[in-house]
Amino acid sequence: EAGVVQSPRYKIIEKKQPVAFWCNPISGHNTLYWYRQNLGQGPELLIRYENEEAVDDSQLPKDRFSAERLKGVDSTLKIQPAELGDSAVYLCASSSRVTITDTQYFGPGTRLTVL
Amino acid sequence: GEDVEQSLFLSVREGDSSVINCTYTDSSSTYLYWYKQEPGAGLQLLTYIFSNMDMKQDQRLTVLLNKKDKHLSLRIADTQTGDSAIYFCAELNQAGTALIFGKGTTLSVSS
Repeated sequence: EAGVVQSPRYKIIEKKQPVAFWCNPISGHNTLYWYRQNLGQGPELLIRYENEEAVDDSQLPKDRFSAERLKGVDSTLKIQPAELGDSAVYLCASSSRVTITDTQYFGPGTRLTVL
Repeated sequence: GEDVEQSLFLSVREGDSSVINCTYTDSSSTYLYWYKQEPGAGLQLLTYIFSNMDMKQDQRLTVLLNKKDKHLSLRIADTQTGDSAIYFCAELNQAGTALIFGKGTTLSVSS
């Protein structure tokens, strides 16, 4: 079974430029998460989707970040414009259902460097 | 609020046991997890424990939970160089919908 796929793996941009990250979850997983991991820190949740609906986006900086999950499968996370402080690893995770026994499986992440 | 604390570094010799400790604040946490992250890779789920359990063993891994002290530990028996990585402790948030991670413990195994 294929795991969570993310692309690109690395991205270097100048500040004020836009950037987008793509995630393909494990087949059949209807819950999708985007986390941000700053250097030396654990991941922090940005947004969670149930199918195509964003059910928790309370930690998403909505002035510059946006996300979508069309058709309830793949998802895209966008930053426009990027700031220096956005440099981090952006992790996508998926799980099969939202229960307390639900296990989240993570992709390899996209490492963003903003110059 | 919910918070998870871990020691930052642990160094052991190959063949020794490693013990990584974690404390959490939310007494209502139902599940607690251990994830492993190797350089340049995502997080790999190692094991998890339900809050009504004191111990869980899975091959070389033993998880101990002291719910009274809100203390979780991961013991790796016969530590190998391939176990060198960052280990994250995580608790499920109160809503049961997202993971709250610690900052991670870097395990260094020398031969």
